Amino acid sequence: GDSVTQMEGPVTLSEEACLTINCTYTATGYPSLFWYVQYPGEGLQLLLKATKADDKGSNKGFEATYRKETTSFHLEKGSVQVSDSAVYFCALGPGGSYIPTFGRGTSLIVHP
Amino acid sequence: DSGVTQTPKHLITATGQRVTLRCSPRSGDLSVYWYQQSLDQGLQFLIQYYNGEERAKGNILERFSAQQFPDLHSELNLSSLELGDSALYFCASSVASSLNYGYTFGSGTRLTVV
Repeated sequence: GDSVTQMEGPVTLSEEACLTINCTYTATGYPSLFWYVQYPGEGLQLLLKATKADDKGSNKGFEATYRKETTSFHLEKGSVQVSDSAVYFCALGPGGSYIPTFGRGTSLIVHP
Repeated sequence: DSGVTQTPKHLITATGQRVTLRCSPRSGDLSVYWYQQSLDQGLQFLIQYYNGEERAKGNILERFSAQQFPDLHSELNLSSLELGDSALYFCASSVASSLNYGYTFGSGTRLTVV
């Protein structure tokens, strides 16, 4: 079946450091790919998405490129802030299904 | 405010009891999804409704049930509660069944079973 694998956290960084959170997937067909962010005490929020191969999703300084050849959708940010501390979820949505598959989430902690 | 409203925010109840969680989707959204989030299981899809009809089922226990009403709000009923049912329960909504729009999540109901 479809699955999403994320790197385990927590990822701990200093402010202004570079961030990469790895995400790989297994799916049939041509899924759309998403990153969601969950701040403490809140629900998940859509951060960015890509709907086809080689698309780059971007938002709030975060980027992720849909790599079909490596079945990956790694999340990157060039300079993190303390306010980026949250849990990040990678998800895929197969074209023929209405239900996305979420990864286990990666906790990011950014220190001043 | 995401536009998806969940009530109550917190719920503490005893084992064996029954509770109802409520979700009002974002205005214009026809699909409602329920998820359970726990530390050991991560985010687990429970059930989806689209315009009042059940559309998909995930890892939902027989003790749990849900429905979507004509005004599109949804309720998740949890009965014969066990300690292991303690979790965050999220509702999400989307415009249609197309995932390209992504989901909008509510802020969740934290259920504690004692």
